[in-house]
Amino acid sequence: EAGVTQFPSHSVIEKGQTVTLRCDPISGHDNLYWYRRVMGKEIKFLLHFVKESKQDESGMPNNRFLAERTGGTYSTLKVQPAELEDSGVYFCASSHGGETQYFGPGTRLLVL
Amino acid sequence: AQSVTQPDIHITVSEGASLELRCNYSYGATPYLFWYVQSPGQGLQLLLKYFSGDTLVQGIKGFEAEFKRSQSSFNLRKPSVHWSDAAEYFCAVVGSGGSNYKLTFGKGTLLTVNP
Repeated sequence: EAGVTQFPSHSVIEKGQTVTLRCDPISGHDNLYWYRRVMGKEIKFLLHFVKESKQDESGMPNNRFLAERTGGTYSTLKVQPAELEDSGVYFCASSHGGETQYFGPGTRLLVL
Repeated sequence: AQSVTQPDIHITVSEGASLELRCNYSYGATPYLFWYVQSPGQGLQLLLKYFSGDTLVQGIKGFEAEFKRSQSSFNLRKPSVHWSDAAEYFCAVVGSGGSNYKLTFGKGTLLTVNP
């Protein structure tokens, strides 16, 4: 069974540009989560989808971040426009019943 | 609000030595507890979890953790460390029940293993 996959693995962009991160959850997992780790800080929750609906987006930093999960399968997280403080590692996770989350390898974003 | 404290930012042990990584949590009810590991260049891998029942849980790679409600702790242990265990370890908590599944993580403990 394939695990959670994320694309790209790395992204380097300039301040003001747009970046879109993609996450493909484990097949059959209705729950999908985004987390972020800024350098030197802890991993923090961004938002939670149940199928295509946003269950909890309390961790989204501001309106420059837009997450979607059309059709309840893969999800995208767009940052527009990117700022320096958006640099970090973005993790995606999925779960079936909600308790145990399985993480992807992360996308390392560097904003210059 | 729930929180997780990992008091040790960096630990160095010799290969073959025993290991204990500390984790304390703050949560009003019975939490679900997890340990994840991130090896260099890799994603987060689930080591073990505690939901209920036996307070000593076994995980992958020879790790175990013990839930102590009285101390609000969930420390991770391994009797003999291997060089491949060098990684960053994260303790995490989520509330049991309900629909709030967001994980709260500690800041992580970086483990260095000396030959």
